Amino acid sequence: GDSVTQMEGPVTLSEEAFLTINCTYTATGYPSLFWYVQYPGEGLQLLLKATKADDKGSNKGFEATYRKETTSFHLEKGSVQVSDSAVYFCALSAVSGNQFYFGTGTSLTVIP
Amino acid sequence: DAGVIQSPRHEVTEMGQEVTLRCKPISGHDYLFWYRQTMMRGLELLIYFNNNVPIDDSGMPEDRFSAKMPNASFSTLKIQPSEPRDSAVYFCASSLGRRYGNTIYFGEGSWLTVV
Repeated sequence: GDSVTQMEGPVTLSEEAFLTINCTYTATGYPSLFWYVQYPGEGLQLLLKATKADDKGSNKGFEATYRKETTSFHLEKGSVQVSDSAVYFCALSAVSGNQFYFGTGTSLTVIP
Repeated sequence: DAGVIQSPRHEVTEMGQEVTLRCKPISGHDYLFWYRQTMMRGLELLIYFNNNVPIDDSGMPEDRFSAKMPNASFSTLKIQPSEPRDSAVYFCASSLGRRYGNTIYFGEGSWLTVV
């Protein structure tokens, strides 16, 4: 069945460091792919998305490219800030139906 | 536009009591989801509705849990009787469905503590 696998956390980085959070997926066809962010005490918020192969989603300095050949959607940011400290979830929306599949989440802490 | 609205934001209740969580989805959305989040199990889908009809309730943990959606703008998740292991954050979410890009929007969550 469809699923998402993302890198284990927690991740701790210094401010201005480069961030990569890996996400790979298993699905039939061409699912839509998403990154959501959850700040402490809040719900999940859409960070970016891509709906077809080779699409690049971007928002707030974060980017992720939909790679069909490697079934990946890695999240990157060139220079993280303390305010980026949060839990990041990779998610997939199946081709058939409206089912969503979420990864286990990766906790990021950015230290000054 | 108003987002997904959940109530209560926080609830502390005693074991054995009935708990009712409420959700108002984004106007016009035809899918509604209930999730539960805990440290141990992460984010779990409990049930989802399409056009007010339950489509998949296989994630509902046991008969103590029930969910209803009497109309397009309101849903409830009820736990009766509640147990300490039900302590979690319960999220409601809604979406327009795949043909519209399929983004799912979450509420702020209901933080439930059962003592």
